[in-house]
Formats: sequence, C-alpha cells, structure tokens
Amino acid sequence: DAKTTQPTSMDCAEGRAANLPCNHSTISGNEYVYWYRQIHSQGPQYIIHGLKNNETNEMASLIITEDRKSSTLILPHATLRDTAVYYCIVRGPTINAGNNRKLIWGLGTSLAVNP
Amino acid sequence: AAGVIQSPRHLIKEKRETATLKCYPIPRHDTVYWYQQGPGQDPQFLISFYEKMQSDKGSIPDRFSAQQFSDYHSELNMSSLELGDSALYFCASSRPSSVSTGELFFGEGSRLTVL
Repeated sequence: DAKTTQPTSMDCAEGRAANLPCNHSTISGNEYVYWYRQIHSQGPQYIIHGLKNNETNEMASLIITEDRKSSTLILPHATLRDTAVYYCIVRGPTINAGNNRKLIWGLGTSLAVNP
Repeated sequence: AAGVIQSPRHLIKEKRETATLKCYPIPRHDTVYWYQQGPGQDPQFLISFYEKMQSDKGSIPDRFSAQQFSDYHSELNMSSLELGDSALYFCASSRPSSVSTGELFFGEGSRLTVL
C-alpha cells in the first residue's frame, strides 16, 4: 500500500472550513484514499473515501487531484467536536472477501478547532 | 444502529498475568480486525479473521493469540503480560466485500494497564 504524508498538526477557527492535505505520490491506479479520524482515546471513525472523483457526504468532502498524487479532506464548517487526529490511508481494493482489507495507519494530522 | 462492542472497557493486570479481550462485531459483518495503540502512537494492526479463519497477521507478539468463534465474536488472549503491553486495543469489523465500500467500523476499545 502507498505511503501517505500529512502535516503533523493544524489549527482551524470554529465555523470555518478545515482543509486537511495528504500526499500520496506513490499511489497506484487501483488504490483508494480513505480518511478516518480519532477523537482522543476513542475508536477511529470512518469519514470518507474515494478513488479518483471528488466525493461528498454528510461529514466531509474529499478532493483528489487529477494525477491522484494528493488529496484534501474538507470539513466545511468545523466545530469544536471535530478536534481529532485525522488519518489519510491509501489501500487497494477489496479483491477477495477477507483479504487485504486491513488498514495501515501512518502519522495523521492533529486538528485543533479553536473557539 | 448496532456498533462493534468490546469488553471489558478497562482492565488492570500484573506483569506475567493473562488477559482476554472480547469483541462482538456488527451483525452480518464477516471480518474482524484487532489493533493495538500505545500511548501517543498510531494504531498497529495485529490480526484479522474472515469467516472464523485467520486472514491476515501483523505485528502480533507470539504471547498473544486470537480466534473468531461460530457466533462471529472474537477474543484476543494475551499471556505473560509485560509493561509494554499497556495500550488501547481496538476491534473493528467490516461488511462482506460484495456490499462493502471498504470501511472498517471500530469499537470504543479496551484499555489494558499492566502494572
């Protein structure tokens, strides 16, 4: 699985958009980009994922560059409850049931949302 | 909606003792994963099971073993506990690949403290 690079920490004002970048320059054609977050000492939470098109759900938007070497997670209106460590993970498709579906975590971005 | 249930939530053991953690995946999920997260570290993949068979193995010590039972719950057994085993242990489950978009659903974790 491709390696990802994220900034160690970021700050964001409450109510503003939080834009979290991720570099995955060695991503291969069939690998997806997943975003998870972990609020202090809680279980990681799935946010969104995509292959090459931009994606949006009720939590966030994911913008993937055309060459797929980087992506940005956007929290449109950050709240204090969005303070967490955000992980960008690249992983291949679930080819066979049960195979290769584990996630390999890297160093995420610690996002602090300030009042 | 039902989530991944882990028990116990907190456990305190002495060195060289044995501990057992339990995980109840979301109904109809076919794969269970175990992760270990030390203080200030990212989650490390230990082991996974698909349809009650071990499907992948990560950095799980030989002192640890795990299995998935006929009702799909899983147990992580840890023997000869060491101080360094103190960590949060997360269990996650995922849906069958035929209906899954690949995300893992995590429990709230079991915090093991070894004294």
